[in-house]
Amino acid sequence: GAVVSQHPSRVICKSGTSVKIECRSLDFQATTMFWYRQFPKQSLMLMATSNEGSKATYEQGVEKDKFLINHASLTLSTLTVTSAHPEDSSFYICSARDPTSGRAFFGPGTRLTVT
Amino acid sequence: AQSVSQHNHHVILSEAASLELGCNYSYGGTVNLFWYVQYPGQHLQLLLKYFSGDPLVKGIKGFEAEFIKSKFSFNLRKPSVQWSDTAEYFCAVNANDYKLSFGAGTTVTVRA
Repeated sequence: GAVVSQHPSRVICKSGTSVKIECRSLDFQATTMFWYRQFPKQSLMLMATSNEGSKATYEQGVEKDKFLINHASLTLSTLTVTSAHPEDSSFYICSARDPTSGRAFFGPGTRLTVT
Repeated sequence: AQSVSQHNHHVILSEAASLELGCNYSYGGTVNLFWYVQYPGQHLQLLLKYFSGDPLVKGIKGFEAEFIKSKFSFNLRKPSVQWSDTAEYFCAVNANDYKLSFGAGTTVTVRA
């Protein structure tokens, strides 16, 4: 089946630095990818919808200047957490839809820890 | 590592029919359980969740799910589906490391 990968799977960074997370669809082209955030033992929270070749659509309350999303190709979307703070520590999960089957696939998640 | 199994890849049914989607997980400890729905072209939405307490959980849009600990199951049900329930449904589990593990998803097609 279709696979979505994320890199890195785990990252620790210092407060004030920036971290880039990649989301790739490995065997299909995804015009739309979604970025979610997951707090400990809670449900997913949609952060933004990433559209290939255009600006991402951010959910209310998500700072677009802090969480930069780039969807430069049909198989890659990146989320950059800029000037990270400890409260940004979380799991970040992406998903991509295979337009051929219409099915959605999830990445394995990236665990960000900001010290 | 924990895993989540959804038994049905694709379910097709008529309006007013009853729906039950199976979900089993492999983790033996305390878990939190979720069902999500993704409508065509949209992002995930939470249908319902179980953390503790009454194992029969009621969610939005008439959905409910029952946690049966002895069977490691958390099946989703709806007594009477509507055409608008056509979507993809995901079961998810998290345990001690709080990272959600998703099932492969079940596509539900409701015919008018």
